[in-house]
Amino acid sequence: RKEVEQDPGPFNVPEGATVAFNCTYSNSASQSFFWYRQDCRKEPKLLMSVYSSGNEDGRFTAQLNRASQYISLLIRDSKLSDSATYLCVPASGGSNYKLTFGKGTLLTVNP
Amino acid sequence: DAGVIQSPRHEVTEMGQEVTLRCKPISGHNSLFWYRQTMMRGLELLIYFNNNVPIDDSGMPEDRFSAKMPNASFSTLKIQPSEPRDSAVYFCASSLQPDTQYFGPGTRLTVL
Repeated sequence: RKEVEQDPGPFNVPEGATVAFNCTYSNSASQSFFWYRQDCRKEPKLLMSVYSSGNEDGRFTAQLNRASQYISLLIRDSKLSDSATYLCVPASGGSNYKLTFGKGTLLTVNP
Repeated sequence: DAGVIQSPRHEVTEMGQEVTLRCKPISGHNSLFWYRQTMMRGLELLIYFNNNVPIDDSGMPEDRFSAKMPNASFSTLKIQPSEPRDSAVYFCASSLQPDTQYFGPGTRLTVL
């Protein structure tokens, strides 16, 4: 089983749509969880952390289910600028230094 | 503030040559990471330094790869000899909290 599994997409959605990404992870020792975004030919950038209680940052909502080892990201009111690859990242190890990146889900938001 | 700086941004070399990639972390950060990204394997951690000391090098592919961090503001990743399968984008990241990492722009390496 892969350490992190994500639907590779691509997801093609119109502006204003709501889109959801899911991710499962295999390492039950993971303690911190993140979503990163990566634009084409750019570096990954931290989008948001994911907490057990669920958390929201503007149009973005992240959820974590530790029992199912499942993480989700919901994007509301999609913008053209949201087009990117979204990487699911559980962290483990001392101080959670070891980020294990999924291969990502490609999102294209169309005008 | 300057982010993580990597050089060169692009490197094209021939098989068998030595390649040295360079990284300057964000000032004040005490953790530094080298990653490699390929289409097949995604983004993989190669090595992690904390306070200039290598903590985890289990991701370094083989003896041809070596990394150093002589001081808090500089790190190198060296491949000697390079092989075509080393072609990838190599990212350096730094952090103050190990789980909140800031990535540099990457070095795109092509080994012919």
